[in-house]
Amino acid sequence: GDSVTQMEGPVTLSEEAFLTINCTYTATGYPSLFWYVQYPGEGLQLLLKATKADDKGSNKGFEATYRKETTSFHLEKGSVQVSDSAVYFCALSDRQLIFGTGTRLQVFP
Amino acid sequence: ETGVTQSPTHLIKTRGQQVTLRCSSQSGHNTVSWYQQALGQGPQFIFQYYREEENGRGNFPPRFSGLQFPNYSSELNVNALELDDSALYLCATGGLNSPLHFGNGTRLTVT
Repeated sequence: GDSVTQMEGPVTLSEEAFLTINCTYTATGYPSLFWYVQYPGEGLQLLLKATKADDKGSNKGFEATYRKETTSFHLEKGSVQVSDSAVYFCALSDRQLIFGTGTRLQVFP
Repeated sequence: ETGVTQSPTHLIKTRGQQVTLRCSSQSGHNTVSWYQQALGQGPQFIFQYYREEENGRGNFPPRFSGLQFPNYSSELNVNALELDDSALYLCATGGLNSPLHFGNGTRLTVT
């Protein structure tokens, strides 16, 4: 069945560092891809999405490009802030959302 | 603020008991999904309701059941609770294939 694989965390960075969180997927069709973020004690918030190959989703300085040839949807940000500390989930849609296990990001001043 | 409200926020139950979790949305979306998020894991799809009918189910046993009401609020019921049911239960409203708005969840602890 369809699945999502994320890099394990935690990812620990200093403020203003460059961020990459890897995500690859397995799907039989052509799913939409998403990144969600979960702050402590809260539910999930949609961060960005891409609906077809070569689409780039972006929001709040975060970007991810739908790469069909490598079945990847890596999340990047050029300069992280302490407020970006959270758990990030990659997901694909196949009638319902299928999530990866999440990657915890910790940003220190 | 997502406009999706879940209650209660925390709950402690004993193995074998039954529990009802609730979800409501300010926007009145006609699609609601429920997810189970075990500690340190990603959310797992339980089921989805569309216009009061179940419209998709994940790999969960029948003791997990749900309802959606005419005002699009929803309930998740779990019978015969097991220790492994301890998790954060998330409700989400939005499109059929991409729930966009999650509530903050109900943290269920089964002892």
